Amino acid sequence: SQKIEQNSEALNIQEGKTATLTCNYTNYSPAYLQWYRQDPGRGPVFLLLIRENEKEKRKERLKVTFDTTLKQSLFHITASQPADSATYLCALSRNSGYSTLTFGKGTMLLVSP
Amino acid sequence: DTAVSQTPKYLVTQMGNDKSIKCEQNLGHDTMYWYKQDSKKFLKIMFSYNNKELIINETVPNRFSPKSPDKAHLNLHINSLELGDSAVYFCASSQSQQGEAGELFFGEGSRLTVL
Repeated sequence: SQKIEQNSEALNIQEGKTATLTCNYTNYSPAYLQWYRQDPGRGPVFLLLIRENEKEKRKERLKVTFDTTLKQSLFHITASQPADSATYLCALSRNSGYSTLTFGKGTMLLVSP
Repeated sequence: DTAVSQTPKYLVTQMGNDKSIKCEQNLGHDTMYWYKQDSKKFLKIMFSYNNKELIINETVPNRFSPKSPDKAHLNLHINSLELGDSAVYFCASSQSQQGEAGELFFGEGSRLTVL
């Protein structure tokens, strides 16, 4: 069956360090992958999209990689700040006529000062 | 201006009741969705509408009936509520191109508690 796996344990890091979150998937061939941020009590907010033919995408302090051979995406936040503390969700495209997104369970990131 | 707005934000009701959640988007998008996020924070697609037409209907009990009166609105009606329906329901919209979902814009969620 299709699975998207993200670390269920929270990631605790020190301010200024680089946070790296992992998204692994099985039995998928996604055309693209997206990352979202979700704060408590709020809806998810889009961060980045990366396509299957792209290895890496950057946006300010964020970087996403997409390895379709390993079936893995890595999400990096450099120079992390306490304000980056949130849950980060990866989402894979799923083509069934019209595409939609299937989400992982998310990883909570806690950045301490 | 709120891009995707849902009402109500909180809903507490008894088992067996019928309730509705409304969603409106002012982004001009052609596709709207309902997602359910349960207590384990798992965000799962329920329905998707493109230009008022139902295009995705996941394995959802038929007590759940979506309705899209126009492409800016997608409502969710739930009959005979059960305890397991307690969750946060998120509405989202996107501008689909060539079948791709694109970036999703989510509402703030409607927290439903069934007692």
